[in-house]
Amino acid sequence: GDSVTQMEGPVTLSEEAFLTINCTYTATGYPSLFWYVQYPGEGLQLLLKATKADDKGSNKGFEATYRKETTSFHLEKGSVQVSDSAVYFCALRRGSGTYKYIFGTGTRLKVLA
Amino acid sequence: NAGVTQTPKFQVLKTGQSMTLQCAQDMNHNSMYWYRQDPGMGLRLIYYSASEGTTDKGEVPNGYNVSRLNKREFSLRLESAAPSQTSVYFCASSERGPHQPQHFGDGTRLSIL
Repeated sequence: GDSVTQMEGPVTLSEEAFLTINCTYTATGYPSLFWYVQYPGEGLQLLLKATKADDKGSNKGFEATYRKETTSFHLEKGSVQVSDSAVYFCALRRGSGTYKYIFGTGTRLKVLA
Repeated sequence: NAGVTQTPKFQVLKTGQSMTLQCAQDMNHNSMYWYRQDPGMGLRLIYYSASEGTTDKGEVPNGYNVSRLNKREFSLRLESAAPSQTSVYFCASSERGPHQPQHFGDGTRLSIL
């Protein structure tokens, strides 16, 4: 079945460090891929998305590229801030035949001043 | 913009009590979802409703029932609460189409003693 695998956290970085959170997926067909962010006490918010191979999603300095050859959608940011501390979820939705979204288990990021 | 509204935000129940979690969205979305979030387990789908008038089971439906009251509202009922149902519950909605992201409420934090 479809699945999403994220790197285990927590990830602890100093402010202005480079961030990578790995995400790989298994799915039939051509799924859409999403990154969500969850701040403490809140629901998940869409951070960025990509809907086809080689698409790059970007938002608020975060980027992720849909790599079909490696079935990956890694999240990157060049310079993190303390305010980026949150839990990040990778997710997919298959292109047809389902209304379900598949989520990874989340990666907690802590950024130190 | 209200988006997805969940009530209540917090609730404490005793084992065996029943309650209904309410969810409403004002984005005219067709699909609605209920998830539970437990530490280290990411999001698990309880039930979903692809469109008004339909509901389907997700990964963990046992002990829950749902009602899609109309296009806006999708409620989750615990008939006889158990301590294992202590969790944070999230409602989400999405437009029709595989490239559409989900929109989440802020969650209901439920403790069962």
